[in-house]
Amino acid sequence: EAEVAQSPRYKITEKSQAVAFWCDPISGHATLYWYRQILGQGPELLVQFQDESVVDDSQLPKDRFSAERLKGVDSTLKIQPAELGDSAMYLCASSLDFPVAKNIQYFGAGTRLSVL
Amino acid sequence: AQSVTQLDSHVSVSEGTPVLLRCNYSSSYSPSLFWYVQHPNKGLQLLLKYTSAATLVKGINGFEAEFKKSETSFHLTKPSAHMSDAAEYFCVVNVMNYGGSQGNLIFGKGTKLSVKP
Repeated sequence: EAEVAQSPRYKITEKSQAVAFWCDPISGHATLYWYRQILGQGPELLVQFQDESVVDDSQLPKDRFSAERLKGVDSTLKIQPAELGDSAMYLCASSLDFPVAKNIQYFGAGTRLSVL
Repeated sequence: AQSVTQLDSHVSVSEGTPVLLRCNYSSSYSPSLFWYVQHPNKGLQLLLKYTSAATLVKGINGFEAEFKKSETSFHLTKPSAHMSDAAEYFCVVNVMNYGGSQGNLIFGKGTKLSVKP
């Protein structure tokens, strides 16, 4: 069964350092999402791509976060500089380009970031 | 604005007894609703979805949920809990973009289900 791949699974970094996360969606999925999940809470959307274009990045802290999906396939989420409050699970999801009624998102296992 | 409220942060049941995880939603439109499950250190897995067809929705692993518009509820149930059901469960509503195009998911805060032997 096809899965959303994410790496690394765990990342420990010191504040003010740069970190990057990678996501490879299910083959053929045009839409890709990055979520942040703080411990004890539900995931919150950071950015949504349709192919290589950003559809929604209204919740992305653009002063330190950036995301790209250059060829419309895999994607990278970067944080520079990392802050203590960025410690969280970062989840990637993908979905087929269907109407909203069939918007099933498939999630990867996530990258757990710890900022020291 | 669309939102979901999960009424219990933690539910504990004994193995073999029924499970009820409660969720209320708020939506300006006819919503699409989902339940996802997250096992420790794993990604989220879709349990079931409601998209304006039958109000009683059956999902994987014996779970089902009933959409009740009059009560704005979408509670998740299972007749008999299994130890492997211990996980975090999220009720989710789909937020339509302007124009009704494919939208985003709004997650509840989650309910942690514990299953005692």
